[in-house]
Amino acid sequence: GEDVEQSLFLSVREGDSSVINCTYTDSSSTYLYWYKQEPGAGLQLLTYIFSNMDMKQDQRLTVLLNKKDKHLSLRIADTQTGDSAIYFCAESTDDMRFGAGTRLTVKP
Amino acid sequence: KAGVTQTPRYLIKTRGQQVTLSCSPISGHRSVSWYQQTPGQGLQFLFEYFSETQRNKGNFPGRFSGRQFSNSRSEMNVSTLELGDSALYLCASSWEASGRLGTKNIQYFGAGTRLSVL
Repeated sequence: GEDVEQSLFLSVREGDSSVINCTYTDSSSTYLYWYKQEPGAGLQLLTYIFSNMDMKQDQRLTVLLNKKDKHLSLRIADTQTGDSAIYFCAESTDDMRFGAGTRLTVKP
Repeated sequence: KAGVTQTPRYLIKTRGQQVTLSCSPISGHRSVSWYQQTPGQGLQFLFEYFSETQRNKGNFPGRFSGRQFSNSRSEMNVSTLELGDSALYLCASSWEASGRLGTKNIQYFGAGTRLSVL
């Protein structure tokens, strides 16, 4: 199975909060990342968190890390239609490992 | 500072042909990684080059090959193209090779080359 797992789809209404979840298996991961991919484009780094942190906030984005459960989440506050995209989590150990991506659909 | 540049953006080839894709990393970055992205298989790692040496390789057949030049620019080649090779090929660069160096391992992606094999 995949080392990094994400649910494939998430649908929310504009203005609501979105929470995208990710689980990873390598407890020695040092950094964890969130990337965003819009249609026809490459992956854009959104944010990252060091493994000794529990939370990181950056404007509308909040990353939560639970090392005990190897669980990472990305919360997008006040979700907009422009946030519709595929979101990938990734972990960095000896190499970079990506999840399969969560397709976020924002309905007006 | 210019981002990662991939050329060409789009390619159409026929089965049996070969293709070469190019990637210019962010200035100063020494590591280049290649990925294949398809709707069915998602994002799959092809290989990583660091200082002109292949450091890691994914589970792809020998038809897929790559190289890195002294200026860190990289090319990947696919020979004897098959229909299943149709995909978005993404290149990513980072300061250092994959590892535990924190922000120096962050990968920055190009816009990709969309390859269609007919």
